Amino acid sequence: GAVVSQHPSRVICKSGTSVKIECRSLDFQATTMFWYRQFPKQSLMLMATSNEGSKATYEQGVEKDKFLINHASLTLSTLTVTSAHPEDSSFYICSAPMGGREDTEAFFGQGTRLTVV
Amino acid sequence: QKEVEQDPGPLSVPEGAIVSLNCTYSNSAFQYFMWYRQYSRKGPELLMYTYSSGNKEDGRFTAQVDKSSKYISLFIRDSQPSDSATYLCAMRSGGYNKLIFGAGTRLAVHP
Repeated sequence: GAVVSQHPSRVICKSGTSVKIECRSLDFQATTMFWYRQFPKQSLMLMATSNEGSKATYEQGVEKDKFLINHASLTLSTLTVTSAHPEDSSFYICSAPMGGREDTEAFFGQGTRLTVV
Repeated sequence: QKEVEQDPGPLSVPEGAIVSLNCTYSNSAFQYFMWYRQYSRKGPELLMYTYSSGNKEDGRFTAQVDKSSKYISLFIRDSQPSDSATYLCAMRSGGYNKLIFGAGTRLAVHP
């Protein structure tokens, strides 16, 4: 079946540094991918919609200069957390709807646990 | 009022019990309804997917959608300890619109 691969699964970085998270659709093309953030024991909150070949669409309250999204190909979207701070520590998850059909299903990556120290 | 309401639990049941999980929603434009299972520190796994109203069964899982009442349910029969996880409902309107998630219900099935 369709698989979305997310890398890395876990990352620890120092405050002030930048971290890049990759999301790949392995056996299908995804013109759109979604990036979510999940705090402990809370639901997924959509951060932004990544669009292949164009700018990402950010949800209200999400800083686009802090969370840079690049969707350079039909199988890869990246989320870069710039100048990370401890409050950015969270579980980040991407998803990709299967293209070509409206009754699409969203497949999720394994998630990336970011810890900023 | 949230677009999707889901009781966060936790819900604790004995092995073999029938589990009922529910969500209500307010947006009548929602057409696609999903249930995800999420184990701790993992990405959500799609369990059931339903378009519009009706029932759908897959093994021990049954999903029901009642659009007139804006109410969806997931039933788990013969629950197993391995079913212990957080169950998230999600829904969206047509096209590639974003999913709106419920808060998730934590389920514990004890032997």
